[in-house]
Amino acid sequence: RKEVEQDPGPFNVPEGATVAFNCTYSNSASQSFFWYRQDCRKEPKLLMSVYSSGNEDGRFTAQLNRASQYISLLIRDSKLSDSATYLCVVNRAAGNKLTFGGGTRVLVKP
Amino acid sequence: EPEVTQTPSHQVTQMGQEVILRCVPISNHLYFYWYRQILGQKVEFLVSFYNNEISEKSEIFDDQFSVERPDGSNFTLKIRSTKLEDSAMYFCASSERVLNTEAFFGQGTRLTVV
Repeated sequence: RKEVEQDPGPFNVPEGATVAFNCTYSNSASQSFFWYRQDCRKEPKLLMSVYSSGNEDGRFTAQLNRASQYISLLIRDSKLSDSATYLCVVNRAAGNKLTFGGGTRVLVKP
Repeated sequence: EPEVTQTPSHQVTQMGQEVILRCVPISNHLYFYWYRQILGQKVEFLVSFYNNEISEKSEIFDDQFSVERPDGSNFTLKIRSTKLEDSAMYFCASSERVLNTEAFFGQGTRLTVV
């Protein structure tokens, strides 16, 4: 089983719609969780950290479910500029190594 | 806004040659990383570095790879004898702490081995 697994997509989303997708992780000892955004051939950029209680940043909402070992990202009122690959990133308790999922591609269309 | 900077942005090298990729992490960060991304594939961890030594490395980071912090600002990745399969985007990253803190990535160095 892969350490961090994501649906590669693409998720084709009409502008203004809501899209949500999950990421599962295999190591129950994982401590830190993040969503990064990556545009084509660019570096990953932090979108948001994911906290146990769930957190929201504008149109973006992240949730963590430790029991089922997944995190989710929801994007409301999608903009054309939200088109990107969204990377699920997990940090274990021991060591300092971020493990990336393969990414979920989102395409927002007019 | 502070950022991680990498040079060069693109490096073309012949198979068997040595390359050094350079990074300047964010100044108050203590943890440094190298990642790579082969075209069309996921971002893969190579090595983490703290307190002037490697704290963790992946199976990709074999004897052909080395890292160094030669002074107070630079962090380098050396590949001793490049292979075709080393062609990838190499990202440097830094973070303030090890857990529950985000890592910030440089814009990457695209390495092409011919």
